[in-house]
Amino acid sequence: GEDVEQSLFLSVREGDSSVINCTYTDSSSTYLYWYKQEPGAGLQLLTYIFSNMDMKQDQRLTVLLNKKDKHLSLRIADTQTGDSAIYFCAESAGGSNYKLTFGKGTLLTVNP
Amino acid sequence: NAGVTQTPKFQVLKTGQSMTLQCAQDMNHEYMSWYRQDPGMGLRLIHYSVGAGITDQGEVPNGYNVSRSTTEDFPLRLLSAAPSQTSVYFCASSYGGLAGDTQYFGPGTRLTVL
Repeated sequence: GEDVEQSLFLSVREGDSSVINCTYTDSSSTYLYWYKQEPGAGLQLLTYIFSNMDMKQDQRLTVLLNKKDKHLSLRIADTQTGDSAIYFCAESAGGSNYKLTFGKGTLLTVNP
Repeated sequence: NAGVTQTPKFQVLKTGQSMTLQCAQDMNHEYMSWYRQDPGMGLRLIHYSVGAGITDQGEVPNGYNVSRSTTEDFPLRLLSAAPSQTSVYFCASSYGGLAGDTQYFGPGTRLTVL
């Protein structure tokens, strides 16, 4: 079955880079997503990557995909206190965005 | 646009009571989904709909019913609430169903079942 694993906590200093890691099991996954959840709010889509891509960059965000190891990472450059949130990795085996399997989320704490 | 709205924000129920969580969107989105979020569990899909009149089950559908009589509304019904249904419930919608179509999430309903 589908399963997505993430480390639960990450703490960094303001200005450093953050790297959040995720592993997934479904080899048929076609799209992989990163969502951000701020306290008391819903989820916000940050970025997604096709499974046939190795990397995608969007301003301060860099997504790396190692399809062989089924490993996905999200790098946030120049991390700011406003980046403190829970980050969820999610996969979609069928390419649909309305049937997602989420990881448990990584709580990123940015210290000033 | 108000986006995705959910009511109520908070609700406390007794075991066995029924209630409906409301979800509405004013963006003419075809695709809508309900998720529950439990501590340490991430989000799990309960039910989803790909258009008015069409619904299907997700990963954890037991104890929940949905209907989609209009494009705008996608209510989630708990027929007989159980403590295991204590959770935060999120509704989401998107215009299309593919990866490039942004899925918008509502602010959530925090439900406690005593």
